[in-house]
This record gives sequence, structure tokens and C-alpha cells, in this order.
Amino acid sequence: GDSVTQTEGLVTLTEGLPVMLNCTYQSTYSPFLFWYVQHLNEAPKLLLKSFTDNKRPEHQGFHATLHKSSSSFHLQKSSAQLSDSALYYCALRNNNAGAKLTFGGGTRLTVRP
Amino acid sequence: NSKVIQTPRYLVKGQGQKAKMRCIPEKGHPVVFWYQQNKNNEFKFLINFQNQEVLQQIDMTEKRFSAECPSNSPCSLEIQSSEAGDSALYLCASSIQGASAETLYFGSGTRLTVL
Repeated sequence: GDSVTQTEGLVTLTEGLPVMLNCTYQSTYSPFLFWYVQHLNEAPKLLLKSFTDNKRPEHQGFHATLHKSSSSFHLQKSSAQLSDSALYYCALRNNNAGAKLTFGGGTRLTVRP
Repeated sequence: NSKVIQTPRYLVKGQGQKAKMRCIPEKGHPVVFWYQQNKNNEFKFLINFQNQEVLQQIDMTEKRFSAECPSNSPCSLEIQSSEAGDSALYLCASSIQGASAETLYFGSGTRLTVL
């Protein structure tokens, strides 16, 4: 079956430093990959998702590159902001009709001044 | 703000009681999902629908959980006999279609506490 692994459960950074959150996956098919962000007491929201044509998705300064050879979709940002503190989830959705989103365990990012 | 509406925001039940929560998907979204987010913030898929038909569901959903998405009414998830381990945030999501590229849009959830 499908699975997503996020190796860091907790990441703490100082404002202004680069962010990298790891995500690797296993899937029988060629899935689409997503990053969702969940702030405290809010709904999870889409941050970005993979493209089919190898373009690099970007949003709010975050970007991620899908590497099929290594089954990875790491999330990066050049300079962390205090407002980036949140839970980040990597997820995949495969080609089955109505397919569910399979989530990783999440990474809690804390950015301190 | 999320266009997926979930009610109630908080639900408190005793063990053995029924717990029912509702979800209005985003307009024009025929595919609806229910997830459970536990105290460790892990997501567990429960069930999904396309229009009124169940697409997939896990075993626990089949035994104590019931869900439906009737036409022209909110979708619902009901736990027939609540257990302490059911305490969690229940998230509803919808998408425009079932294709793998489509985004799921989440509601803010119903936080269930089973005493």
C-alpha cells in the first residue's frame, strides 16, 4: 500500500534560517504529492502540490521538487518567518478514482526570534 | 476561510453514547472524505464518498462508525457507541473530483471528547 514518511517530528529554527522538511514516499502507482500546513486550531490547508511536467511548485516562499528516482518531495524555504510555525504534512494521492489522501506523520515547525 | 463547514465544533459524550457530526462540503464538490486526527496529530482515513456512494472505508468504520452523504443534506459521521479512544479531531474534506491531482479542502473539524 501507499505510505509517506516524514523523518522529523519536530524542527526548531531561528528566524531567517533556511527550512527543509523531509518527505519520502512509497506507492505502487505514480502519485501526486502534496504539502499541507495546519496552524493551531485551524483546518489543514494546501501549501503546494506536485506537477506532472516537472515544474517546481512554489507558494508563500516554500517550494518542493518531486524526485521520482528517490521518491522524495522535500519542502524548502530560504528564510524562515515566525508565522511559518505550524504543523506540516506531506501527503500523496494515487491514480485510483476517488483515492484518499495518505498522510505522513507530520512535522511540527517552530520558528523562534 | 474554509468553505467546508463542520458542526458542531466541539462534542462531549460519555462512553457508550452516540456521537454525530455533520459536514457540508464545498459547493460543487461531489467527493467527501472523513479523517480522524488523533492527539499525536496523526491522520487516519475513515471513509470517502462520491455523491451518495461509499468509495472506500476502513474496518473500524464498518463496525462502530456509520456515515452517509444524502443528496441535498449535510454529510454525517456517527459513532454508535463512543469509546475513550475515539477522542480526536474529526476532519471532513471535499474535492471537485476523485482524480489524484485534485486538492482536498478541509473543514475546521469537530473535536470529540469521550469522557
